[in-house]
Amino acid sequence: EPEVTQTPSHQVTQMGQEVILRCVPISNHLYFYWYRQILGQKVEFLVSFYNNEISEKSEIFDDQFSVERPDGSNFTLKIRSTKLEDSAMYFCASRKRREGDTQYFGPGTRLTVL
Amino acid sequence: QKEVEQNSGPLSVPEGAIASLNCTYSDRGSQSFFWYRQYSGKSPELIMFIYSNGDKEDGRFTAQLNKASQYVSLLIRDSQPSDSATYLCAVNLYSGGYQKVTFGIGTKLQVIP
Repeated sequence: EPEVTQTPSHQVTQMGQEVILRCVPISNHLYFYWYRQILGQKVEFLVSFYNNEISEKSEIFDDQFSVERPDGSNFTLKIRSTKLEDSAMYFCASRKRREGDTQYFGPGTRLTVL
Repeated sequence: QKEVEQNSGPLSVPEGAIASLNCTYSDRGSQSFFWYRQYSGKSPELIMFIYSNGDKEDGRFTAQLNKASQYVSLLIRDSQPSDSATYLCAVNLYSGGYQKVTFGIGTKLQVIP
């Protein structure tokens, strides 16, 4: 069964460094999302992406964040200058419009900022 | 502020009992509703979705939606220890053709053998 994949599973970085989190959505899906979940807190929407552009973003998704679909398969989240409070699980999700609203989540990347 | 409210629990039920999980949401424009299961350290896994008022059954799971009361619930019949997890309620709003999903904090369910 097709699934969303994410790499790396765990990323450790120093405060102020740039990180790129990678996702491969399900191949025939058209809509892509990034969420984060700080330990013990709720899943929070960051950004949605469709047709090679951001369709919506939350207040969390400030100028230090960016997303890209550099080729036909990968979907990346870049954090330019990481802060301690960026430590969280980052989930990628994708959706195929014709199947309605169901989003399928990847396994997540645990980001630890030291 | 669009919110999704859940009791964080834990909700403890004996094995074989019915577990009832509840969720309320604030945005009357919300159009579809999801229940995800999340095991510790893992990603959310879709259990059920519901769009229309009433009940929707899938195996041991029943989702119930009451849009007038802005209330959605999940019943798990014949609860098993493997059902022990955090159950996330998520609410979807379409805006300008795009989907935005808001999650609740999740209810931790413990099924006692």
